[in-house]
Amino acid sequence: GQQVMQIPQYQHVQEGEDFTTYCNSSTTLSNIQWYKQRPGGHPVFLIQLVKSGEVKKQKRLTFQFGEAKKNSSLHITATQTTDVGTYFCAGGGSQGNLIFGKGTKLSVKP
Amino acid sequence: NAGVTQTPKFQVLKTGQSMTLQCAQDMNHEYMSWYRQDPGMGLRLIHYSVGAGITDQGEVPNGYNVSRSTTEDFPLRLLSAAPSQTSVYFCASSYSRRGADNEQFFGPGTRLTVL
Repeated sequence: GQQVMQIPQYQHVQEGEDFTTYCNSSTTLSNIQWYKQRPGGHPVFLIQLVKSGEVKKQKRLTFQFGEAKKNSSLHITATQTTDVGTYFCAGGGSQGNLIFGKGTKLSVKP
Repeated sequence: NAGVTQTPKFQVLKTGQSMTLQCAQDMNHEYMSWYRQDPGMGLRLIHYSVGAGITDQGEVPNGYNVSRSTTEDFPLRLLSAAPSQTSVYFCASSYSRRGADNEQFFGPGTRLTVL
């Protein structure tokens, strides 16, 4: 079946450093969504990208959707301790469901 | 609005027991889904529903049943609990019948341990 691969699995950064997580799919995705899950919490929607080559920014977060609609990235500039959590990408599959990547767990050392 | 609510928050079962995880939403969403989250495995879709009276299987449906008699409620039944079903279970809903088209709202989760 369709799969969305996400790397890295873990990332440890010093506060103030940048962070990037990547998603790749073997098939074309209808869209890509990003979620953040704080430790002990539930996933919370961050953003959706639909168009080929789309780039969206939310303060220090930059989201990109690849030209072929098979890959995406989330970049955080100058991480803060409030950025700690697991970031998931989720691609729109052929049956209309979301296919989640396994997530990147970000830890930030003050 | 309460959003998506789940009960119970925690549950411990013995192997072979059955139970129902409750999920309700008050946003009049068409699409509802159940995911399980295991360490290092991300979120895997168990069952989903695109409206009252309609359910379908996701990626990992074995050992689980669902029903959708109303728009608001989407319970998940474990027929005969097994240790492999120890996990965190999330219910989610979204506005459109295609769950991938809009943001999904997640409930707080149920942490289930099967001994």
